[in-house]
Amino acid sequence: GEDVEQSLFLSVREGDSSVINCTYTDSSSTYLYWYKQEPGAGLQLLTYIFSNMDMKQDQRLTVLLNKKDKHLSLRIADTQTGDSAIYFCAESPLTGGGNKLTFGTGTQLKVEL
Amino acid sequence: NAGVTQTPKFQVLKTGQSMTLQCAQDMNHNSMYWYRQDPGMGLRLIYYSASEGTTDKGEVPNGYNVSRLNKREFSLRLESAAPSQTSVYFCASSIDRGNTEAFFGQGTRLTVV
Repeated sequence: GEDVEQSLFLSVREGDSSVINCTYTDSSSTYLYWYKQEPGAGLQLLTYIFSNMDMKQDQRLTVLLNKKDKHLSLRIADTQTGDSAIYFCAESPLTGGGNKLTFGTGTQLKVEL
Repeated sequence: NAGVTQTPKFQVLKTGQSMTLQCAQDMNHNSMYWYRQDPGMGLRLIYYSASEGTTDKGEVPNGYNVSRLNKREFSLRLESAAPSQTSVYFCASSIDRGNTEAFFGQGTRLTVV
């Protein structure tokens, strides 16, 4: 079955870049997503990338996709304390009913002053 | 625009008790989902409903039942709660399959003692 893996923790200094990595196993994934979860809240979509793209940039966020290695990364430029949260990578398959997202374990990003 | 609303926000149950978690969305979405979030395990899909009148099992359906009452509402029932069902439960909805953003509720923190 599908499997999505992430490292559990990342700590960076304010102003530095953060890079959160994710690997997935389902080669039929069509869309890959990054969600953000702030403390005590639900998940919120940050950005997504279609599987025929290599890169997507959206303001401070850059998503890189290496389809051959099934590796996805999220780079946050000029990381701020407000970026402290849990970041989830997710993928959805080519087939299947509904938007059956498979989530990674989440990476807790801590931004230090 | 309320988005996805879940009730209750917190609940403590004794082993063997039953309860229903309620979820409603006001975005006219076709698909709705129930996930559980456990530390170090990301979000796992319990059940989903691709459209009104249909429901399907996700990754971890045992011990749960669902009901898609109408297009707006999707409830999750625990018939006989067990300590292993202590978790944070999230309801989500999306317009349809494919590249569609999933919108999440704020979560229900359930403790079974």
